Amino acid sequence: QVQLQQWGTGLLKPSETLSLTCAVSGGSFTGFDWTWIRQPPGKGLEWIGEINPSGITRYNPSLGGRVSMSVDTSKKEFSLTLTSVTAADTAVYYCARSGFHDIAADFDPWGQGTLVSVS
Amino acid sequence: QSVLAQPPSASGTPGQSVTISCSRGNSNIGGNAISWFQQVPGAAPKLLIYANNQRPSGVPDRFSGSKSATSASLAISGLQSEDEADYYCAAWDDSLNGVVFGGGTKLTVL
Repeated sequence: QVQLQQWGTGLLKPSETLSLTCAVSGGSFTGFDWTWIRQPPGKGLEWIGEINPSGITRYNPSLGGRVSMSVDTSKKEFSLTLTSVTAADTAVYYCARSGFHDIAADFDPWGQGTLVSVS
Repeated sequence: QSVLAQPPSASGTPGQSVTISCSRGNSNIGGNAISWFQQVPGAAPKLLIYANNQRPSGVPDRFSGSKSATSASLAISGLQSEDEADYYCAAWDDSLNGVVFGGGTKLTVL
């Protein structure tokens, strides 16, 4: 059974850089897309972007070029970097797999979530 | 404001059926497949429905999805107290070249 375990810095100051990593265990890393999604406190879900094992990325345009993702297939890990954070970036950040059912939004499974606070 | 519109709340009593809609304002919802997620407080979302009406293994058949040209719906029959959660729809959006989520519907089991 595929599991995602994520970690990263939880407390940032404005203008700093957010860095999170997600490790995949118990299943294949290739053949799927790997996604980051965030949820501000008390609000809904927002798709940040995705990366495939070849390193091809797609990002949410609303993040204005501040986001980048990378992948390490040898470790079965993928990472998120978000620069110049502000209080508006405070959220729980989730990693997830997509494409298991050949559907772009079939996110399953999800990581446990990491609360990132910018203050 | 979310690209996909959902009612902010829904409610029902145990045993009843409830339906949650997902639409795209005055436009057709589009040809891309809809997924539905359930999120209980303090937990990560869980995939309930993919490809409009398909259930992943382990999801009870009380949950069903449907889609027309104008909207998608999640139906829950035989409502149980543990169904109390937030529900989100999501789909790939060709114009944004990314995934969009609905704003979420908070389901209360009275």
